[in-house]
Amino acid sequence: GAVVSQHPSWVICKSGTSVKIECRSLDFQATTMFWYRQFPKQSLMLMATSNEGSKATYEQGVEKDKFLINHASLTLSTLTVTSAHPEDSSFYICSASPRDRKNIQYFGAGTRLSVL
Amino acid sequence: AQSVSQHNHHVILSEAASLELGCNYSYGGTVNLFWYVQYPGQHLQLLLKYFSGDPLVKGIKGFEAEFIKSKFSFNLRKPSVQWSDTAEYFCAVRANRDDKIIFGKGTRLHILP
Repeated sequence: GAVVSQHPSWVICKSGTSVKIECRSLDFQATTMFWYRQFPKQSLMLMATSNEGSKATYEQGVEKDKFLINHASLTLSTLTVTSAHPEDSSFYICSASPRDRKNIQYFGAGTRLSVL
Repeated sequence: AQSVSQHNHHVILSEAASLELGCNYSYGGTVNLFWYVQYPGQHLQLLLKYFSGDPLVKGIKGFEAEFIKSKFSFNLRKPSVQWSDTAEYFCAVRANRDDKIIFGKGTRLHILP
């Protein structure tokens, strides 16, 4: 089956620093990747849709300058949380849709971000 | 814009009991519907999906869901649950013309042994 890998799985950083999270499709090409945020005991909230080779589309209320998304290749998208603050602490999950099966999304295991 | 509502935040059942988790969506057009499961400490997995055709969809691990268009519902069912079904279940919807999947708030299912 299709595998989506996220790295790191857990990151702890100091307030004010920037953190980069990687999302890779290991055995398929993904023209579209999605970034979600999940607060404890809550659902996944879509943050942005990332298309290879173009700018990401952000959901309402998500700061694009705060959460930088780069989808440089068909197998890699990155989310950079800039100048992280404690309120950015959350679980970030990516998903990817194969270019030949756009109706399906495969999810990564998520990255837990803890900002001190 | 589409939205998803899951009726129960937390459900507790004994093993062998029957399960039904409610899910309603709001969107007037054609939709794709999904149920995902997240076991403790694991990532999301697709249980089943509906795109078109037979409105009764069978998924993995004995789960099924029925799409009732007139009720805008896509309830998840299992006739006899097991302790290993303890997990969080998310209903999700995508407007057919859109790429985004919108998730419900999830239902935490706890099965007593």
